[in-house]
Amino acid sequence: ETGVTQSPTHLIKTRGQQVTLRCSSQSGHNTVSWYQQALGQGPQFIFQYYREEENGRGNFPPRFSGLQFPNYSSELNVNALELDDSALYLCASSPVESGELFFGEGSRLTVL
Amino acid sequence: AQKVTQAQTEISVVEKEDVTLDCVYETRDTTYYLFWYKQPPSGELVFLIRRNSFDEQNEISGRYSWNFQKSTSSFNFTITASQVVDSAVYFCALSVPSGTYKYIFGTGTRLKVLA
Repeated sequence: ETGVTQSPTHLIKTRGQQVTLRCSSQSGHNTVSWYQQALGQGPQFIFQYYREEENGRGNFPPRFSGLQFPNYSSELNVNALELDDSALYLCASSPVESGELFFGEGSRLTVL
Repeated sequence: AQKVTQAQTEISVVEKEDVTLDCVYETRDTTYYLFWYKQPPSGELVFLIRRNSFDEQNEISGRYSWNFQKSTSSFNFTITASQVVDSAVYFCALSVPSGTYKYIFGTGTRLKVLA
């Protein structure tokens, strides 16, 4: 069984740029969630996708957007990057009936 | 609103000591789930346990045990005979089933086990 995989693992951007992070769900999982984890903090919920539609959103501005594809993989897009966007971005998948999240290793974004 | 508090920022113990990580949660919902995750330096959150609000039975899994007390809104995690490999950041999380499986995480406790 393949777990949740994320790419890239590390990346550096400058303020104002845009970034796309990718996530492949665990086999059989049809729900994908994204979390932001700043240094020294717990993960914060960004949003969740189910059946290719956003199914819940945390307290993040519209410049954070996402997509879910028919194969349940997902993208997180962040526009107009700010220094505070520097964080570990975690993707998690789950089978809709259980709600139990399985996390990937994350994409570490540094904004200079 | 839901909230999870992990008051211990960092704990250091010597190998073979027992250690308890505290977790206090807040929610007005009667149905909810509590979790513990381990985060090693690689960054991945490793699932340890899930407990639903109707099951207050304590659980033991090898050297790990969990004490769930609704009366004090606590879900504490004890590692018995700690080992260096237990060194990591541990997160407690709360989820309320509402169509969105949103987890509320605490700020984590960094555990350092010294040889």
